[in-house]
Amino acid sequence: GQQLNQNPQSMFIQEGEDVSMNCTSSSIFNTWLWYKQDPGEGPVLLIALYKAGELTSNGRLTAQFGITRKDSFLNISASIPSDVGIYFCAGPKGGGSEKLVFGKGTKLTVNP
Amino acid sequence: DGGITQSPKYLFRKEGQNVTLSCEQNLNHDAMYWYRQDPGQGLRLIYYSQIVNDFQKGDIAEGYSVSREKKESFPLTVTSAQKNPTAFYLCASSIVRGRFPGPQHFGDGTRLSIL
Repeated sequence: GQQLNQNPQSMFIQEGEDVSMNCTSSSIFNTWLWYKQDPGEGPVLLIALYKAGELTSNGRLTAQFGITRKDSFLNISASIPSDVGIYFCAGPKGGGSEKLVFGKGTKLTVNP
Repeated sequence: DGGITQSPKYLFRKEGQNVTLSCEQNLNHDAMYWYRQDPGQGLRLIYYSQIVNDFQKGDIAEGYSVSREKKESFPLTVTSAQKNPTAFYLCASSIVRGRFPGPQHFGDGTRLSIL
């Protein structure tokens, strides 16, 4: 079945640094979603991508839908302590399914 | 404000007991979902429903049951058959837009533990 591989699994950075993470799949996706989860809470949608090559920003966050449609990237600029959390990528399971498949997440720690 | 409400926030289950987790949404979304989250793992789909009075098994449905009698509500029952129920349970909902799923929006979760 479809699987999403997220890299890296965890990151430890200093406040003010930029962050890059990615998500790859062995099959084509027609939608990419990026979520952030704070401890003890539900994931919150950050950015949704619907077209290959699309580049979308949400404040200091920028996400890109890879040209091959098998990958997506999330960048965070000038990180701040509240960026701490787990970032998940997700995409539809295929065949027009309403079901999503999720990556295992990238855990971000920001040192002040 | 529109959103998804899960209750309770924390729940404890005794051996052999069934427990029910509540999920209510006022977003007028057609589809609702239940996920289980374990440490270090992604979200795994338990059940989902795209329309009232209909639901489908996800990847890990064994030991769980659901109902969808109203559009706004999608309760999950963790039965005694689920031998490892300790986890963080997340409910989500989305619009249904033809071939492509609308982004899913999540509640704040219920943490279930065994007494």
